[in-house]
Amino acid sequence: DVKVTQSSRYLVKRTGEKVFLECVQDMDHENMFWYRQDPGLGLRLIYFSYDVKMKEKGDIPEGYSVSREKKERFSLILESASTNQTSMYLCASRRTLNYGYTFGSGTRLTVV
Amino acid sequence: QKEVEQNSGPLSVPEGAIASLNCTYSDRGSQSFFWYRQYSGKSPELIMSIYSNGDKEDGRFTAQLNKASQYVSLLIRDSQPSDSATYLCAVIKGSQGNLIFGKGTKLSVKP
Repeated sequence: DVKVTQSSRYLVKRTGEKVFLECVQDMDHENMFWYRQDPGLGLRLIYFSYDVKMKEKGDIPEGYSVSREKKERFSLILESASTNQTSMYLCASRRTLNYGYTFGSGTRLTVV
Repeated sequence: QKEVEQNSGPLSVPEGAIASLNCTYSDRGSQSFFWYRQYSGKSPELIMSIYSNGDKEDGRFTAQLNKASQYVSLLIRDSQPSDSATYLCAVIKGSQGNLIFGKGTKLSVKP
């Protein structure tokens, strides 16, 4: 089975901190994604990457950046954490177009 | 019109009954459709994919697709309390290939 591993299950950070969320997949998938999930708002796409070194903005990229230096690793960066970035962050990957996603277990981030 | 619409529920069914979850989508060019199950506090888990009109069965789960009506459904036979979760419908829209998710239907199976 494909495994998508997110480095932290729970994280508490202070306002203004730079936050790194790491995601690693072990099945040579081409595509990787970062979502946040909030009650009533569903899954919202932050950034995605179809290949190494490539990144594209999703629906809500403001306040975030990403890095994909290696195929298996996709990092989400909160440049200066704010309380409205308190959320569940989900990383996902898939083999290529037309396949479903496999999600990591998620990181519940609280910004205080 | 929302791109992927689901009734938010909660949908409550007794144990052993058939649960029917429905989803409509707006892009007539969509080709790939998925159902995810998400337990409270957990991440979504892919349970079914369907690509052509008709039914696809996997154990107690049946996905149904009707592209003319832009409608996809998930039937859960012999529902169990362990099926209680939120079910997300997802559709690949057009040529870009990203999944568009509905907001999910919360299912509660009562013993």
